[in-house]
Amino acid sequence: QQQVKQSPQSLIVQKGGISIINCAYENTAFDYFPWYQQFPGKGPALLIAIRPDVSEKKEGRFTISFNKSAKQFSLHIMDSQPGDSATYFCAASWGNYGQNFVFGPGTRLSVLP
Amino acid sequence: DVKVTQSSRYLVKRTGEKVFLECVQDMDHENMFWYRQDPGLGLRLIYFSYDVKMKEKGDIPEGYSVSREKKERFSLILESASTNQTSMYLCASSLGAGELFFGEGSRLTVL
Repeated sequence: QQQVKQSPQSLIVQKGGISIINCAYENTAFDYFPWYQQFPGKGPALLIAIRPDVSEKKEGRFTISFNKSAKQFSLHIMDSQPGDSATYFCAASWGNYGQNFVFGPGTRLSVLP
Repeated sequence: DVKVTQSSRYLVKRTGEKVFLECVQDMDHENMFWYRQDPGLGLRLIYFSYDVKMKEKGDIPEGYSVSREKKERFSLILESASTNQTSMYLCASSLGAGELFFGEGSRLTVL
């Protein structure tokens, strides 16, 4: 199964709060799990990524938690800021050329000032 | 700074017209991709190319073709545009199986 499920579809958080977006996958061949951030009128840009040999990766306010046995991974945004308001896509991929990227449907995050 | 440039940001075409979407990358990447982005569906792969003159179908290739005559340039072609091809089209490139670098997108409206 090539799908990546993502929830919630939209999220509203107060400034300073924690934003959490969850993703789940079925294909155990996936070996790379990135999160992309997309602002209106722009293309998606890589935010943070993880490989299945670690359970957590942190970069600044952004953390990926990865649960290999449950086939789930999540993005946590600590101290959310209005500038974080964007659409977030989780993805999973395998293969030598990156041709097997599968994207979740996206989560629209709004951080209120 | 890495750059993927899509020449047309907004296009309006009529049903049956031939449409060319151009994409150029300056990172000497081997791999290039065309995605389609629709609300609630995420990004879906139309075609990708891992070398000059090489192309492979993605998940939704019907109604599209591609051309890669030079390493830095990957074109998406709609031979006869239809209204259900109204969408945002995103070009991307990558080196190997790692990070995808996206262009800013081409929003196509077919009337």
